[in-house]
Amino acid sequence: GEKVEQHESTLSVREGDSAVINCTYTDTASSYFPWYKQEAGKSLHFVIDIRSNVDRKQSQRLTVLLDKKAKRFSLHITATQPEDSAIYFCAASLSNTNKVVFGTGTRLQVLP
Amino acid sequence: EAGVTQSPRYAVLQEGQAVSFWCDPISGHDTLYWYQQPRDQGPQLLVYFRDEAVIDNSQLPSDRFSAVRPKGTNSTLKIQSAKQGDTATYLCASSLTGQEFFGPGTRLTVL
Repeated sequence: GEKVEQHESTLSVREGDSAVINCTYTDTASSYFPWYKQEAGKSLHFVIDIRSNVDRKQSQRLTVLLDKKAKRFSLHITATQPEDSAIYFCAASLSNTNKVVFGTGTRLQVLP
Repeated sequence: EAGVTQSPRYAVLQEGQAVSFWCDPISGHDTLYWYQQPRDQGPQLLVYFRDEAVIDNSQLPSDRFSAVRPKGTNSTLKIQSAKQGDTATYLCASSLTGQEFFGPGTRLTVL
């Protein structure tokens, strides 16, 4: 089955800098790649997604890049703010199923 | 619009006890998921439904776990005889078009 790997378990950046979180997946049939944010003591909250028919999607300070050939996708956060501090999970699912497989999470710390 | 609601928010059990978790998804969402999230790990799918039908329960420990969604709305996840290894947060999520909306979770501790 699909496996999603998140390469950075922790990431620290200075406020105002950019942060990049990288993920890889194994199943070439995966076509939907959402990202979720989990703040301390809270549940997961959707932040952005990308489908395999495009290789880039931007929403305000967030950009997702998808490299289908390398089976790699990444979340880019620009002008980081303290409220961006959280655990970010990447995920992937196949086009013919609603089953989503999550990565292990990256703890992002935005330092003042 | 109300989000996904879950109850109870916390549960503490002795090994061997039973517990049920309840989830009320967002109205109109046909797909409902139950995840187990151990501490400091990502959510791991246990089971998901489309309407009242189980679509995938391959990761559900069937000897002790069961899940139902009889009318295609609310759902119950039950653990018959809890083990210490079941200690985790149990998350319910619902979706209609792919994006999942998560409930607050039930934090289970098995002593």
